[in-house]
Amino acid sequence: TQLLEQSPQFLSIQEGENLTVYCNSSSVFSSLQWYRQEPGEGPVLLVTVVTGGEVKKLKRLTFQFGDARKDSSLHITAAQPGDTGLYLCAGAQSGYALNFGKGTSLLVTP
Amino acid sequence: EAGVAQSPRYKIIEKRQSVAFWCNPISGHATLYWYQQILGQGPKLLIQFQNNGVVDDSQLPKDRFSAERLKGVDSTLKIQPAKLEDSAVYLCASSLIGNSYEQYFGPGTRLTVT
Repeated sequence: TQLLEQSPQFLSIQEGENLTVYCNSSSVFSSLQWYRQEPGEGPVLLVTVVTGGEVKKLKRLTFQFGDARKDSSLHITAAQPGDTGLYLCAGAQSGYALNFGKGTSLLVTP
Repeated sequence: EAGVAQSPRYKIIEKRQSVAFWCNPISGHATLYWYQQILGQGPKLLIQFQNNGVVDDSQLPKDRFSAERLKGVDSTLKIQPAKLEDSAVYLCASSLIGNSYEQYFGPGTRLTVT
């Protein structure tokens, strides 16, 4: 059972465009993380959100945690080729185990 | 600060053979995780250690997979015998105690079972 559903699964855009990817669940999470994974590498943590309604900004990336702590979104402004990668969301419930979504594969072309 | 180290980076074996992966976590990180990432999917937790004790191994196929962390630092994950469906990237991650929300991942070992 996939607790976290990510959409879209694939996204191909041109440099300079904006995009939003989504992470949805029917379960409530105590926290949610976003990771970026490049080919041949492990995931790298981008941000952790813990409060319902929380918004965090990391340069051109904006992360939002839903009020009910069941969903999250990642918005990238003016995408660059260096943003290319697999974006994974991961939620924590009881204990410390993280449940990962399948990811959104983003390709930004010059 | 050195990151999480894993070896080998790549391994190709035939089905029914055995294989072992090694992980060295970030210094001072007491919690260590092994994940399996099948192509097109997110990582799935196999086992979590805190120091040298197992915290969660509920998703570890114990009939063929085993893991140990004898001295609370390095860890090995073994598969014996391997099946075709074990082809995946095996990721090791570590975190400070009580801070599993911030896990640091190694580069992974890509296993191909033929």
